[in-house]
Amino acid sequence: DAKTTQPNSMESNEEEPVHLPCNHSTISGTDYIHWYRQLPSQGPEYVIHGLTSNVNNRMASLAIAEDRKSSTLILHRATLRDAAVYYCILRDFHNNNDMRFGAGTRLTVKP
Amino acid sequence: GAVVSQHPSWVICKSGTSVKIECRSLDFQATTMFWYRQFPKKSLMLMATSNEGSKATYEQGVEKDKFLINHASLTLSTLTVTSAHPEDSSFYICSARGQGPNEQFFGPGTRLTVL
Repeated sequence: DAKTTQPNSMESNEEEPVHLPCNHSTISGTDYIHWYRQLPSQGPEYVIHGLTSNVNNRMASLAIAEDRKSSTLILHRATLRDAAVYYCILRDFHNNNDMRFGAGTRLTVKP
Repeated sequence: GAVVSQHPSWVICKSGTSVKIECRSLDFQATTMFWYRQFPKKSLMLMATSNEGSKATYEQGVEKDKFLINHASLTLSTLTVTSAHPEDSSFYICSARGQGPNEQFFGPGTRLTVL
C-alpha cells in the first residue's frame, strides 16, 4: 500500500470545525482513501472512505484533491468525544489486502 | 455496522503461561481476519493475516510458534500467546474483512499484561 503522511498532532476548540490533512503523493489509481479513528483503549473505528469525489456521512466529510495526492478529513463541529488518533490509510481496491496503519494524527479538543 | 467482538477484554497472566484471545464476527462471515499489536503511544502493527481453513500468514519479525493463530470457522479466529513474557504485554486488536470490497471492522482490543 502507498504511504501516507499526517501531522503528529493537532488541536481544536470544541464546536469548531477541524481539518485533518493527509498527504499521499504516491497514490495509485485503484487506491481508496480510508479514514479510521481510535479512541483511547479502543479498537479503530471507521470514519469515512472515498476514491475521487468528496464524500459526506454523519460523522465527517472527506475532501479529496483533484490530483488525489492529498485529502482532508473534516469534522464540522468538534466535540470532546472526537478526541482521538485519526489514521489516513490507502488500500488498493483490487487487492483488497490488509490495512496498515501509519502514525496518525492525535487530535486534542479543548473545551 | 458490523460488529467484531474480542474476549477477554483484558487479561493478566504470569510469565511462562499461555493466553488465548478470541475474535468473533457477530453478524457476518469473515473469511479473512487480521491480528494487530499496539504498544503504548504507538500505532497498530499488523502481526498476521488469517484465512479460514488455512494457515495464517505472519509479518516479518513475528514468531509464528509464539503467536499461534487458528481460524477454524467463518466467525471465529483465535490468537494464542505461548509462553508469554513481560515484553509480550500489549494491546492486541483483531479485525475482520466484511462482505463489501472496502469493509474492514475492528474489535475492541484485548489488553494483555504479563507479570
